[in-house]
Amino acid sequence: GESVGLHLPTLSVQEGDNSIINCAYSNSASDYFIWYKQESGKGPQFIIDIRSNMDKRQGQRVTVLLNKTVKHLSLQIAATQPGDSAVYFCAENSGGSNYKLTFGKGTLLTVNP
Amino acid sequence: SQTIHQWPATLVQPVGSPLSLECTVEGTSNPNLYWYRQAAGRGLQLLFYSVGIGQISSEVPQNLSASRPQDRQFILSSKKLLLSDSGFYLCAWNLRGRWNYGYTFGSGTRLTVV
Repeated sequence: GESVGLHLPTLSVQEGDNSIINCAYSNSASDYFIWYKQESGKGPQFIIDIRSNMDKRQGQRVTVLLNKTVKHLSLQIAATQPGDSAVYFCAENSGGSNYKLTFGKGTLLTVNP
Repeated sequence: SQTIHQWPATLVQPVGSPLSLECTVEGTSNPNLYWYRQAAGRGLQLLFYSVGIGQISSEVPQNLSASRPQDRQFILSSKKLLLSDSGFYLCAWNLRGRWNYGYTFGSGTRLTVV
């Protein structure tokens, strides 16, 4: 079946570097995508979202890029900080009007001081 | 503002015992409600979702059930827990009719079945 997946299960970066977390999706009908951050023992927190009629959206230190041609989504974190260490999930709508989301497996980001 | 409450935060239960986890949402009306389970180091598995009072859809066959007795209350239950029911349970909500319908998650319940 169609699903959302991640290219890299783990990512280790130095504090101050930029981080890029990637996500591949296969449902060409998906029109809404979200990135979540989950710290250990906590529920996922919304970071940023993007509709399929956009290819880039920026937030505070984060940017989401959407490439519909190759069905690829990425999250860029500028000047990564130790507090950014967490698991990052991408999610897409499941299609239709039921407002359910399908989540990828997650990428563990570790920021080294 | 909207808030979501989930309790208890942690729970240790013996095999064969019943389970009741509760989730409530404040500050909104008629939300979609969801129960997810997350195994250690794994992704999020959708268990149940509800679009209204008394309306429950099950995503995977299992030992669990869900109920929605009130608009903003969602309950996850089991009559007899199995070891395999251990995990991190997350409740979430969103609203229909909005383009940005990303979930808001609760803080989760860590369930250990022993």
